[in-house]
Amino acid sequence: EVQLVESGGSLVQPGGSLRLSCAASGFIFSDYWMNWVRQAPGKGLEWVANIKQDGSEKNYLDSVKGRFTISRDNAENSLYLQMNSLRAEDTAVYYCARSPGSLGYWGQGTLVTVSS
Amino acid sequence: EIVLTQSPGTLSLSPGERATLSCRASQSVSKNYLAWYQQEPGQAPRLLIYGASSRATGIPDRFTGSGSGTDFTLTISRLEPEDFAVYYCHQYGSSPRTFGQGTKVEIK
Repeated sequence: EVQLVESGGSLVQPGGSLRLSCAASGFIFSDYWMNWVRQAPGKGLEWVANIKQDGSEKNYLDSVKGRFTISRDNAENSLYLQMNSLRAEDTAVYYCARSPGSLGYWGQGTLVTVSS
Repeated sequence: EIVLTQSPGTLSLSPGERATLSCRASQSVSKNYLAWYQQEPGQAPRLLIYGASSRATGIPDRFTGSGSGTDFTLTISRLEPEDFAVYYCHQYGSSPRTFGQGTKVEIK
């Protein structure tokens, strides 16, 4: 059974940093592109970033470029999102989701709140 | 960036009725790489349709996706109680991937 479990969300002050993790199981992690998608409270879905199977290609939403870094550890079956210079508008539930193409599997999400 | 516009914002229907949800893209979606997701309150989204018209594993056949280019439709033939939720379209044919703003299907 495919499982994606996010962790690392918390309350952080504006300008602060946070690292999210996503533990994957039930499939060959190194075979798949992986994504981060977020959802602000009461709002819609917003794709944030994705990373190729071997980590050689990464894509980002414009508003997070230069602040967020996606990475993965295929030996540990884990996906990460390093978030720096956090802003209030980054407040959201962050989901990891598996590609290719459409997002067939999602984790349950982890809440990041940016507030003073 | 491809902007996806969903209509209507809210659809008020009764169980057993037919639901028709629209998703219009600001430019053609490459290879019709258009997906639909269902999201219930407090839950992660669930993939329903990919490639505009292919049903994901385990999705009932009352869900049908259609369309191409810039105009796509999700049809729910007969609404079941569990179908009342928010639905999002998503294009993954070009970067950045984008989502529509969602259509809420509520009980009338």
